[in-house]
Amino acid sequence: TQLLEQSPQFLSIQEGENLTVYCNSSSVFSSLQWYRQEPGEGPVLLVTVVTGGEVKKLKRLTFQFGDARKDSSLHITAAQPGDTGLYLCAGVNFNKFYFGSGTKLNVKP
Amino acid sequence: DARVTQTPRHKVTEMGQEVTMRCQPILGHNTVFWYRQTMMQGLELLAYFRNRAPLDDSGMPKDRFSAEMPDATLATLKIQPSEPRDSAVYFCASGLRGEQFFGPGTRLTVL
Repeated sequence: TQLLEQSPQFLSIQEGENLTVYCNSSSVFSSLQWYRQEPGEGPVLLVTVVTGGEVKKLKRLTFQFGDARKDSSLHITAAQPGDTGLYLCAGVNFNKFYFGSGTKLNVKP
Repeated sequence: DARVTQTPRHKVTEMGQEVTMRCQPILGHNTVFWYRQTMMQGLELLAYFRNRAPLDDSGMPKDRFSAEMPDATLATLKIQPSEPRDSAVYFCASGLRGEQFFGPGTRLTVL
């Protein structure tokens, strides 16, 4: 089993604050993905990182893949209420996806 | 706007009954995944298909669960007999080249 641990599990912050979510594993992955899931819907892919050390930016979201391709982080700058949701990381090997337990983010106006 | 569709969206049934969930993948996608999501276990992979062939169903309880793709436009997940511990949201996802797109899920409640 290729386990991914996410931290923190829950995060409640005020609008405008910055935050970082972590995704850690002892396994090496060929790529890592981040998803956001809103209540009553399926997860939606935000980004895929492939190369160790890679950094990708999506507006106020910055994603980084660890050098050893075992961990990743998601940083949100100036969080907004629209960022509220469950953030899931998924490690990918041989076209199989191993999901973390998720970080539930609540951004208060 | 291509999307994965799932039916039914909600299902309430009694223990021992058969449950069938259906998924229509996005046209042209060659992989289909079935996941189960619960508060306790998170998102678990049950089975996946490539080009309609089952590649891995190791996440599925074999004695009661079965997954099939009778054609490229339909994937099914069947539970027989259902048990209360099967209560969860079941997601289908289809994909191509390392990406996957999730359907809205079927919320199953087994009483």
